[in-house]
Amino acid sequence: AQSVTQLGSHVSVSEGALVLLRCNYSSSVPPYLFWYVQYPNQGLQLLLKYTTGATLVKGINGFEAEFKKSETSFHLTKPSAHMSDAAEYFCAVRGSNAGGTSYGKLTFGQGTILTVHP
Amino acid sequence: DAMVIQNPRYQVTQFGKPVTLSCSQTLNHNVMYWYQQKSSQAPKLLFHYYDKDFNNEADTPDNFQSRRPNTSFCFLDIRSPGLGDAAMYLCATSRARAGGTDTQYFGPGTRLTVL
Repeated sequence: AQSVTQLGSHVSVSEGALVLLRCNYSSSVPPYLFWYVQYPNQGLQLLLKYTTGATLVKGINGFEAEFKKSETSFHLTKPSAHMSDAAEYFCAVRGSNAGGTSYGKLTFGQGTILTVHP
Repeated sequence: DAMVIQNPRYQVTQFGKPVTLSCSQTLNHNVMYWYQQKSSQAPKLLFHYYDKDFNNEADTPDNFQSRRPNTSFCFLDIRSPGLGDAAMYLCATSRARAGGTDTQYFGPGTRLTVL
């Protein structure tokens, strides 16, 4: 079974400041980890994902995330916030399936609403 | 662009009146998912199709049904909508392949209002 905890339901930053959105996961198998962004009344857009290999993953719009197995974390960062980054961000986990099916159920965190102030 | 399309974007129905939400995809993905997302909550998986095989989540109410007549289309039927079914309904697709890692691609969602 998997679970995701996003620390902080709301994060507020100034334009140009560092963005840090926290995600911790629990998984009984090696996890696949995802960050999605959702703008109001829109679907979810994939920002980045970690499956295997390099633990620092770069995504779209200048975001990146680092998989830290020892800390069971997958925090999302962006060096300099832009007004257009204001949205809700969801972290999700999926258990890898060694020898099994190559797809699986995503378990989402509760989401973090990012507000960017001028 | 290849994409996931949901129609309508906004749907209003009356309490107890059946409603159908539509999803289509041009990605030729073999897996299609339906999620329910209530206000300020995470998306919750209702069910998914792997090709024609239907997989229901254990806690999905019987009120929710789905059809997938072909690879491109998938429908969500709510037989008797209650006030508690008002939510955003998200369709997603992915390509499951041996040795691969699928990514789910989401449509824009249909916001359902129940009066």
